[in-house]
Amino acid sequence: AQSVTQLDSQVPVFEEAPVELRCNYSSSVSVYLFWYVQYPNQGLQLLLKYLSGSTLVKGINGFEAEFNKSQTSFHLRKPSVHISDTAEYFCAVSDRGSQGNLIFGKGTKLSVKP
Amino acid sequence: NAGVTQTPKFRVLKTGQSMTLLCAQDMNHEYMYWYRQDPGMGLRLIHYSVGEGTTAKGEVPDGYNVSRLKKQNFLLGLESAAPSQTSVYFCASSSRGFGTGGSYEQYFGPGTRLTVT
Repeated sequence: AQSVTQLDSQVPVFEEAPVELRCNYSSSVSVYLFWYVQYPNQGLQLLLKYLSGSTLVKGINGFEAEFNKSQTSFHLRKPSVHISDTAEYFCAVSDRGSQGNLIFGKGTKLSVKP
Repeated sequence: NAGVTQTPKFRVLKTGQSMTLLCAQDMNHEYMYWYRQDPGMGLRLIHYSVGEGTTAKGEVPDGYNVSRLKKQNFLLGLESAAPSQTSVYFCASSSRGFGTGGSYEQYFGPGTRLTVT
């Protein structure tokens, strides 16, 4: 069965520093990959998605992610974070043969300090 | 355009009580989902629906039932609540599943925080 591993449960970082949130998935079949963000007491919002094509995907709020098929990874990056980026980030994967059901990682809490 | 709404926002139940959570979407989406979110567990799929009148089990369906009588609504029922069902419940919808030309993005509601004592 498909699984998603987010390697860090919490990532503290100072404002304007770069950040990388790591995500690995288990399946060797073709997949679709997503990053969602959840601000406190809110639902989830899509940051970016990889469906096909270029392995470097750009999303909202200056985030980007790179799909690496050989390493089954989809790490999220931002070159300079803001206080407002403090949130929980979820990586999710879906097999291309599925009906669109997402398997989520356990989440990474990003804490941006001034 | 309200997107995905959930009713109620908060609820406290006693063990054995029943309740229904309502999810409504105004985007004419075919697919709807119910998830639960527990600390350190991410989101886990309870049930989903690929269209009006259809439902299917997800990863953690036990203790829950669902109905999709109207395209815009997806109801989640707890017949006999247990403390293990204390969680935050999220509903989501998407235009279509994969391979059908859909947008693939799931739109989430604000959540329902349920406590079972």
